[in-house]
Amino acid sequence: DQQVKQNSPSLSVQEGRISILNCDYTNSMFDYFLWYKKYPAEGPTFLISISSIKDKNEDGRFTVFLNKSAKHLSLHIVPSQPGDSAVYFCAALSGNTPLVFGKGTRLSVIA
Amino acid sequence: KAGVTQTPRYLIKTRGQQVTLSCSPISGHRSVSWYQQTPGQGLQFLFEYFSETQRNKGNFPGRFSGRQFSNSRSEMNVSTLELGDSALYLCASSLFGLSSYNEQFFGPGTRLTVL
Repeated sequence: DQQVKQNSPSLSVQEGRISILNCDYTNSMFDYFLWYKKYPAEGPTFLISISSIKDKNEDGRFTVFLNKSAKHLSLHIVPSQPGDSAVYFCAALSGNTPLVFGKGTRLSVIA
Repeated sequence: KAGVTQTPRYLIKTRGQQVTLSCSPISGHRSVSWYQQTPGQGLQFLFEYFSETQRNKGNFPGRFSGRQFSNSRSEMNVSTLELGDSALYLCASSLFGLSSYNEQFFGPGTRLTVL
């Protein structure tokens, strides 16, 4: 039973446009959410996070939105750059559980 | 500060064999977690060690085991390898561990292929 779901395995976006990556979760106990970015042959690197007490967190070109009632979060990248091409993982955490990851979305930013 | 290192980077084994993977965390980090990444299942948590004690365990069979040494280095062992164990095995280190909401830093992974 997948507690964190990324329903789009892949996404293609033109350079300069907005990339929106979506993530849904089922466990209402999750109270902290993270996005990781992974390039081939490297481990995931932390990108941005959001606590459940917030509905938005911004860091430069990256913004994460959280809709707790819908159990949905999204990562917005504006403007998208070719270097953003990678696999993005959504992950969720509560106080007593390990990180639970989605299966990832492969983003391709086309120049 | 040196990052998380994992050895070996690539490994080929045959069914029935066993394998040991190694992870050296960032200096000062006491928590090491292990994950299995496969195309179909994404990243799945195996276990976490903190100060030489297993603190969390994922839903994997007993063939998967681990340990942590006093210098925080960790090893993961898989016995009686199956074809389905072919995956990228990632380790991550953090200062205080999974329950403290602090950032985990991932190593590059060990790519295990079971033939």
